[in-house]
Amino acid sequence: EDQVTQSPEALRLQEGESSSLNCSYTVSGLRGLFWYRQDPGKGPEFLFTLYSAGEEKEKERLKATLTKKESFLHITAPKPEDSATYLCAVQGGGGADGLTFGKGTHLIIQP
Amino acid sequence: DAGITQSPRHKVTETGTPVTLRCHQTENHRYMYWYRQDPGHGLRLIHYSYGVKDTDKGEVSDGYSVSRSKTEDFLLTLESATSSQTSVYFCATKLTAGQETQYFGPGTRLLVL
Repeated sequence: EDQVTQSPEALRLQEGESSSLNCSYTVSGLRGLFWYRQDPGKGPEFLFTLYSAGEEKEKERLKATLTKKESFLHITAPKPEDSATYLCAVQGGGGADGLTFGKGTHLIIQP
Repeated sequence: DAGITQSPRHKVTETGTPVTLRCHQTENHRYMYWYRQDPGHGLRLIHYSYGVKDTDKGEVSDGYSVSRSKTEDFLLTLESATSSQTSVYFCATKLTAGQETQYFGPGTRLLVL
């Protein structure tokens, strides 16, 4: 059974204070690891897909990295508009063709 | 992003009544999914479709059925709604096998009284 654990559950930062969110996973045959952003009352918004250990992707102030056991979402010099819940998910090679999600990290960036 | 709409966006219903939620996409994606999101849980897969008339169960499929008669539409039916099915329901789509990224719709908030 695929499992995803995200930490911390919640994180409060000052504007400009860089940090990282963690996503630990166990999966049978990783087909992809995904990061999404979710704002209150909205659907998850796609950020990144990572396919293999060592892969990195960047978008504005966000950078996602992947190892064989975990992924990090690094946030550099965040702004208040980066406040959201960040979701991590994996697609494994067995069972149903769907994503297994973590419970998310609720990020608040204070001005 | 796939153009995904969900209807209705909000619904209140009573225990025991049937409910159908609709997902519509305009991107000709082959795969479509239904998830539910509840406090204290990550999003959980209910059912998915890998083509017209081809569907399969997910992790939490009990009490739900689905149908896909056209590429663009995926329906989720609660045959007899229960209070435990109060949740936010999200539809997602994926282009094809091997293109693993899923894109999500705006969600339907369902309250079963």
